[in-house]
Order: sequence, then structure tokens, then C-alpha cells
Amino acid sequence: AQSVSQHNHHVILSEAASLELGCNYSYGGTVNLFWYVQYPGQHLQLLLKYFSGDPLVKGIKGFEAEFIKSKFSFNLRKPSVQWSDTAEYFCAAYGNKLVFGAGTILRVKS
Amino acid sequence: DGGITQSPKYLFRKEGQNVTLSCEQNLNHDAMYWYRQDPGQGLRLIYYSQIVNDFQKGDIAEGYSVSREKKESFPLTVTSAQKNPTAFYLCASSPPGQGIHEQFFGPGTRLTVL
Repeated sequence: AQSVSQHNHHVILSEAASLELGCNYSYGGTVNLFWYVQYPGQHLQLLLKYFSGDPLVKGIKGFEAEFIKSKFSFNLRKPSVQWSDTAEYFCAAYGNKLVFGAGTILRVKS
Repeated sequence: DGGITQSPKYLFRKEGQNVTLSCEQNLNHDAMYWYRQDPGQGLRLIYYSQIVNDFQKGDIAEGYSVSREKKESFPLTVTSAQKNPTAFYLCASSPPGQGIHEQFFGPGTRLTVL
């Protein structure tokens, strides 16, 4: 069965710290991969996506993610977080359907 | 302004009552979806519809029903058979073709059953 696993449920960082959120998926075929973000009180919105090509994907607000096929991973990174990055982040994978991870709540302390 | 609207934002119902959540989109998307979001569980698919007058069960369809009479609208009914209906409900839609894999979300409806 297709599944997505996010490594951390809660992450607390200070401003300017670097961020890496882990995501692993299980699916035997080709997948499309996504990171969505849900800021407090706002819609779930797309942060970045990978369909094919360069495995290093740039998204909005300085986020990037790297697809490593051999590790079935799609980790999200940002070199320096800001207080406004406080949100819940969801990794999702589309193999034969869109499956979401459980989410990671990021709190950035100012 | 294109987008997905869900109403109401907050909904309170008594146990044993059916309740219908509205979802409307003006993006001209064919496919529409309903998810349930619970803390620590991510989003779980309830129902989806790829075309008008057709819909399919998702992973947790029991206790829910939907209709798709118009392309723009995909209402979800939470019936009294749903054992634990209190949750945050999200509607989404996706464009045809390759883009069907990318979904756009509405603001959600928080349902509380008392």
C-alpha cells in the first residue's frame, strides 16, 4: 500500500536556524511529490512539487526539497527560518492516488 | 477571483443529526475531493469525483455521502452513522491531465458535534 512518513511531528527552531523536515514514501512505481504548508488560519497551499527532471526543487519563500529516488525520500529544507514560517507542513505523494503524511508542526521562536 | 469556497467555516450540530458541508469551485476543474484532517493524522480521503455525476469512495467513506450534480459543486453530507464526525474538513480540486496530481484546497469547515 502506498504510504508517506514524516519523521517529526513537532519541531521548534530559533529564527535563522536551518530547517530540514524528513519525508519518506513507499510506492513501487513513478511518483509525483509535494510539500504543502498550512499557516495558522489559512488555506493549505502548495510549497513545491516534483514531477520529473532536476531532483532539487525550489519552491516559494526560500524552501527547497531534494528527491532521492534510492532513499524514497523528499526532504524539505530552508537555510534560515523566519518567525513567519511557523506552520504545519505536509508531505504528499501521488503514485496511484494522493497520499499525505501526518504533518509536521514547525514553531519558530523569535 | 478563482478559487474554492467552503461554507460555513464553523459548524455545530447535535449528535444524531445529518449535516451537509458545501464546496464550490470556479476553477473549471473536473476533479474534486473531500478530506478529513485530524491532529497527527494528516489528511485522509473521504470521497472523490473525477467527473459530474460520478464519484468514488476514498479511504474513510463510511458514514459520509456526496453528490456531484454540477461541475462546480461537491457537497459532503456527514450522516449520523459517522462514529466520530468532529473534525476539520477540507475540499480540494485538481485540473485535468498531468495537473490532476496537484490539488488546490479550500479554507476548510470545522465541524463540531455536541
